[in-house]
Amino acid sequence: QQQVKQSPQSLIVQKGGISIINCAYENTAFDYFPWYQQFPGKGPALLIAIRPDVSEKKEGRFTISFNKSAKQFSLHIMDSQPGDSATYFCAAIISGNTPLVFGKGTRLSVIA
Amino acid sequence: DTEVTQTPKHLVMGMTNKKSLKCEQHMGHRAMYWYKQKAKKPPELMFVYSYEKLSINESVPSRFSPECPNSSLLNLHLHALQPEDSALYLCASSQGWANEQYFGPGTRLTVT
Repeated sequence: QQQVKQSPQSLIVQKGGISIINCAYENTAFDYFPWYQQFPGKGPALLIAIRPDVSEKKEGRFTISFNKSAKQFSLHIMDSQPGDSATYFCAAIISGNTPLVFGKGTRLSVIA
Repeated sequence: DTEVTQTPKHLVMGMTNKKSLKCEQHMGHRAMYWYKQKAKKPPELMFVYSYEKLSINESVPSRFSPECPNSSLLNLHLHALQPEDSALYLCASSQGWANEQYFGPGTRLTVT
C-alpha cells in the first residue's frame, strides 16, 4: 500500500518531442505528489509537485497530470531537450505522517 | 534560498577509519533527513530528525551514527564501514515532518 509504481524504467526521446513518465499508487491517504530530477552525481532536485485536489499543474515545459479516480499521475516534458537527460523520480507522501515514498525512477535520454 | 549544503563532496575511507559527513541548511526547516542512494536506485531513508530529535531510524546498522547539534546542522558519523556501504549519501530538509523535501548535492562515499 505504501508503494509508488513508476514506468517506464528508461525512455529515449528525440529532441523537441514529448517525454511522458507515469506513476501509480494504492494508498488514497497520499496527499502530496512531488517529482524529482536527478543528474548523475548530484542530489535530487524538486521539479514540480501537485496535490490531489488539482488535475493538472504546469510549470514551463513541465506538466503534472493527476487522475485521482485512477490513482495515477504523470509527468509530461514538452519540447524535450538534451539538457533534460536525467533520472526522474515520482514520489508520494502523507503530509505530517509518513516519509517520502519514491518510485523506482526513470532514466530519460533526449537525443538530438 | 532552498539550499542544503553537504561536505565533503567525496570521501574515501578504509574499513577501520572514523569519518563524519556534514549537512547544513539555513531555511529554518525543522526536519532533516539522511538518505543512502545506490546507483540506479531511488534514495533510501536512513534517519529522520524532527525538532532536533531522532524520530525515525530505519534499522540502520550501528556503524552509522547520526547527530543533530542544532536545527541547522546534521552530522552522520561513520565507523568500521563495509565496502557495500559505498554509495551517495544525501541530506534533505523540510519545513515540518513529512513535508516537501529539499536535497543537498550528496557525499560520494567509497569504502576500501
